[in-house]
Amino acid sequence: DAGITQSPRHKVTETGTPVTLRCHQTENHRYMYWYRQDPGHGLRLIHYSYGVKDTDKGEVSDGYSVSRSKTEDFLLTLESATSSQTSVYFCAIRSNTGTSTDTQYFGPGTRLTVL
Amino acid sequence: GQQLNQSPQSMFIQEGEDVSMNCTSSSIFNTWLWYKQDPGEGPVLLIALYKAGELTSNGRLTAQFGITRKDSFLNISASIPSDVGIYFCAGQTSVGANSKLTFGKGITLSVRP
Repeated sequence: DAGITQSPRHKVTETGTPVTLRCHQTENHRYMYWYRQDPGHGLRLIHYSYGVKDTDKGEVSDGYSVSRSKTEDFLLTLESATSSQTSVYFCAIRSNTGTSTDTQYFGPGTRLTVL
Repeated sequence: GQQLNQSPQSMFIQEGEDVSMNCTSSSIFNTWLWYKQDPGEGPVLLIALYKAGELTSNGRLTAQFGITRKDSFLNISASIPSDVGIYFCAGQTSVGANSKLTFGKGITLSVRP
């Protein structure tokens, strides 16, 4: 198994509260990603990071921010959670050998419910 | 944006049968990937394809990278109950910093004993 953990694995929160999800890797990979998975939409990219303090937006970034102060940790923050952000969130990592074999490996996911 | 098409949304087969899944795109990809997701888990990489025309096997799984680079298929032979899950295809266009995956919406496979 790729060394990726996510915490918490489950969270229930209320609308308007801030929420931070953590992704931790032990592979020393350069690239990290946050996705959300919803029925009928598959996996959609929220934000990604290509190095410490280097991040960029994905296709569904509104309402989310990220931070990466260390190689091993990538944090996803919902500043003010809304019910539309109820979802399953996955972190992924990717190596950087510069070849096409650099593929993404996923963490176990965090199920977030916003009431 | 780019989209990958996987259909049907669900498939139901009998244990022991073979099953084939297609993934098509209007765009060209340099890498095709197939993932499987079990309930409550993250997607797990099954097979990665790096060259047009490439045919790769992993146990009972066989996948091919289409010649046009706009499609791929995954075959599962002699299905067993643990093959149940959601199968996603994904395409990747580059290997640099901006390399991202585009996912299909997945096919849910059910296997009847």
